[in-house]
Amino acid sequence: EPEVTQTPSHQVTQMGQEVILRCVPISNHLYFYWYRQILGQKVEFLVSFYNNEISEKSEIFDDQFSVERPDGSNFTLKIRSTKLEDSAMYFCASSPDRAYGYTFGSGTRLTVV
Amino acid sequence: TQLLEQSPQFLSIQEGENLTVYCNSSSVFSSLQWYRQEPGEGPVLLVTVVTGGEVKKLKRLTFQFGDARKDSSLHITAAQTGDTGLYLCAGFALNTGKLIFGQGTTLQVKP
Repeated sequence: EPEVTQTPSHQVTQMGQEVILRCVPISNHLYFYWYRQILGQKVEFLVSFYNNEISEKSEIFDDQFSVERPDGSNFTLKIRSTKLEDSAMYFCASSPDRAYGYTFGSGTRLTVV
Repeated sequence: TQLLEQSPQFLSIQEGENLTVYCNSSSVFSSLQWYRQEPGEGPVLLVTVVTGGEVKKLKRLTFQFGDARKDSSLHITAAQTGDTGLYLCAGFALNTGKLIFGQGTTLQVKP
């Protein structure tokens, strides 16, 4: 069964540092997403990406966040200057259609200290 | 702001019992998805329903999409301890282009 792969599984960073979270979506999927889940809270939409550009983003996804598909296989989320409140599980997902067929990765646990 | 409300938030039952989890909204969704999430893992898709009134079965799990496509339910028959976990509903709305999640229902099935 095809998988969405995320690295690293856990990252600890100092407040104010930049982090890049990496994802390899399923190869024939066209839509890519980042979600986050703060401990004990619900899964929140951050951004969707299609045809090499952002298609939708949430209020959370401010200027501190950016996404990139640097080559044909990777999809990255960059947080420019991390804050304590950025600590969360970050999930990458991909789908063949924006309305269904989502496959999520196992997540990166980001801890900002 | 679109919201999906799941109820109950927590459910503890004995093995062999039946249960229903509800997912409600005032918004219309073009698809409604149910996921199961284990601790420290990403959500795993169980089923997608797209047509109002649609019913899908996955072994002992029955999923229904409301006629107006605003609500959904998950019914588990004869629950087993292996059903223990967090169940999430998520809806996709064409007008926002986003898949949004409910807050989840934590199910504990005791032997």
